[in-house]
Amino acid sequence: GQQVMQIPQYQHVQEGEDFTTYCNSSTTLSNIQWYKQRPGGHPVFLIQLVKSGEVKKQKRLTFQFGEAKKNSSLHITATQTTDVGTYFCAGRGSGTYKYIFGTGTRLKVLA
Amino acid sequence: EAEVAQSPRYKITEKSQAVAFWCDPISGHATLYWYRQILGQGPELLVQFQDESVVDDSQLPKDRFSAERLKGVDSTLKIQPAELGDSAMYLCASSSSPGTGYEQYFGPGTRLTVT
Repeated sequence: GQQVMQIPQYQHVQEGEDFTTYCNSSTTLSNIQWYKQRPGGHPVFLIQLVKSGEVKKQKRLTFQFGEAKKNSSLHITATQTTDVGTYFCAGRGSGTYKYIFGTGTRLKVLA
Repeated sequence: EAEVAQSPRYKITEKSQAVAFWCDPISGHATLYWYRQILGQGPELLVQFQDESVVDDSQLPKDRFSAERLKGVDSTLKIQPAELGDSAMYLCASSSSPGTGYEQYFGPGTRLTVT
């Protein structure tokens, strides 16, 4: 079945440093979503990517969808303490309504 | 802002007992999801409803888990009997449309501890 992996599993950065998490699917995706989960909280939707090679930006966050629609990345520029949390990608395969969540990348920002 | 409601927020039960969780999605959302999240892992889909119909329950352990959404609004997830390995966060989410890529709104979850 479809599997979605993320690397790294953990990332500690100094405040102001950049951060990137990578998401890789075993199968081609129709679309991919990104969520952020704060410690003790629930996942909150960040963005959705649909098109091959798509790039979207939200302030300091940049999201990319690979050309083959099997991988994606989230890049945060100049991290802040408010960026702390776990970032999940969730991919939907072709011909299915089901989203498979990735393993997540836990970000810790040191002030 | 509309939110997904879940209850209870916390549940402690002994193994072999029955337990039930309730979810009320955002009004008008046709799609409802139940996920299980083990600490340190991503949410795993247990069951997905489109209105009152199940569209995916391939990962639902049907010998002990059941889910219903009788009127296509709120939903109940039941475990009977509970096992130690069922200890996890149970998240409910809803979206306005399936498969076309609408965002999922998650509730606060029910933290289940089986002793």
